[in-house]
Amino acid sequence: GENVEQHPSTLSVQEGDSAVIKCTYSDSASNYFPWYKQELGKGPQLIIDIRSNVGEKKDQRIAVTLNKTAKHFSLHITETQPEDSAVYFCAASPLTTGGYNKLIFGAGTRLAVHP
Amino acid sequence: EPEVTQTPSHQVTQMGQEVILRCVPISNHLYFYWYRQILGQKVEFLVSFYNNEISEKSEIFDDQFSVERPDGSNFTLKIRSTKLEDSAMYFCASSDLGPFRGIGKLFFGSGTQLSVL
Repeated sequence: GENVEQHPSTLSVQEGDSAVIKCTYSDSASNYFPWYKQELGKGPQLIIDIRSNVGEKKDQRIAVTLNKTAKHFSLHITETQPEDSAVYFCAASPLTTGGYNKLIFGAGTRLAVHP
Repeated sequence: EPEVTQTPSHQVTQMGQEVILRCVPISNHLYFYWYRQILGQKVEFLVSFYNNEISEKSEIFDDQFSVERPDGSNFTLKIRSTKLEDSAMYFCASSDLGPFRGIGKLFFGSGTQLSVL
């Protein structure tokens, strides 16, 4: 089955710096790669996603890149702010025939943005 | 903004007792899921549900687990006889079909923290 590895497990940056989180996946059939942000006491919140027919997607300060050949994808946050501090999860969704999503998550990255 | 709501936020139970975790998915969504997260570990898929039946379940989802959509709005997870290792945060999620079959965006609730003593 699919396995998703995520690095680093913790990341500390100064406000205004960029943060990069990287994930690799094992199943070449995976075709959907969302990123979730989880704040303390809350559920995972979808922040950006990318599909396998796209190499890069950007939404304001957040961007995601996908390299299908190497089976890795990355989250880039520019101009970080203290409110970006949270745990970030990458996920991969193997192709299903049932029309639903089965997300396989990475272990998470705890991002701390220091003022 | 529509959201997935879960109740209760915390549930404490004795080993061997039955628990029911409740969820109200986003109203126009068609697919419903349960995931769980043991403290410090990955978020893990448990089960997906569509058209009043289970679409797929993981190895974790054994005979002690069941899901139900008793009416048009609620989606429940029942654990018949809880074990210590069932202690975890349980997340409900829902998705619509999306523009590409099988790639609807998942939206998660805030979770129910289950503690089995």
